[in-house]
Amino acid sequence: GAGVSQSPSNKVTEKGKDVELRCDPISGHTALYWYRQSLGQGLEFLIYFQGNSAPDKSGLPSDRFSAERTGGSVSTLTIQRTQQEDSAVYLCASSLRAGGGETQYFGPGTRLLVL
Amino acid sequence: GENVEQHPSTLSVQEGDSAVIKCTYSDSASNYFPWYKQELGKRPQLIIDIRSNVGEKKDQRIAVTLNKTAKHFSLHITETQPEDSAVYFCAARSSNDYKLSFGAGTTVTVRA
Repeated sequence: GAGVSQSPSNKVTEKGKDVELRCDPISGHTALYWYRQSLGQGLEFLIYFQGNSAPDKSGLPSDRFSAERTGGSVSTLTIQRTQQEDSAVYLCASSLRAGGGETQYFGPGTRLLVL
Repeated sequence: GENVEQHPSTLSVQEGDSAVIKCTYSDSASNYFPWYKQELGKRPQLIIDIRSNVGEKKDQRIAVTLNKTAKHFSLHITETQPEDSAVYFCAARSSNDYKLSFGAGTTVTVRA
């Protein structure tokens, strides 16, 4: 079946502009995660959604970052007033449910470049 | 929160030799340890995982070992092949949490 998809695949923006990144999880997966991967670095957790529960926003680096998940499916990560240090690959993952040993399946990522 | 350290950061091996990557974690409540492989420009993909109720798991040329007492786990790749060249990430998840904490990654290069 279809895996996790993300759009756009690449985004170039100017410093100070807002950007929206989209994630379509695997159908039926109730848990959705956003990670950030800076060049040559590991994956940094940003935010997590599980069903209708309040999201875990503990990884968001600043109040310029926010995310929504509408209808328990598609999620949008918004970065306001982008800065050059926001340049990274933003990865989305989904799992059937949260907790236990549920496998997280990753999307291809959105490569963001802030000029 | 959980802190995962991964070594080495880079590893070059001759084709046919073995590769070993080691990770340590800080949270004794962690009970799930996946390993992801990320080829250049592609998404991370799960290659093997282990839960805290077992000490070792093997899948063909890949094996993972877990030492709960020492809080470390390792990935072993035997008979390496050029297609094993990639960045490998270890991760840990606490039983008290849902997110994965990742190591910084190991770039493995298999020389033909």
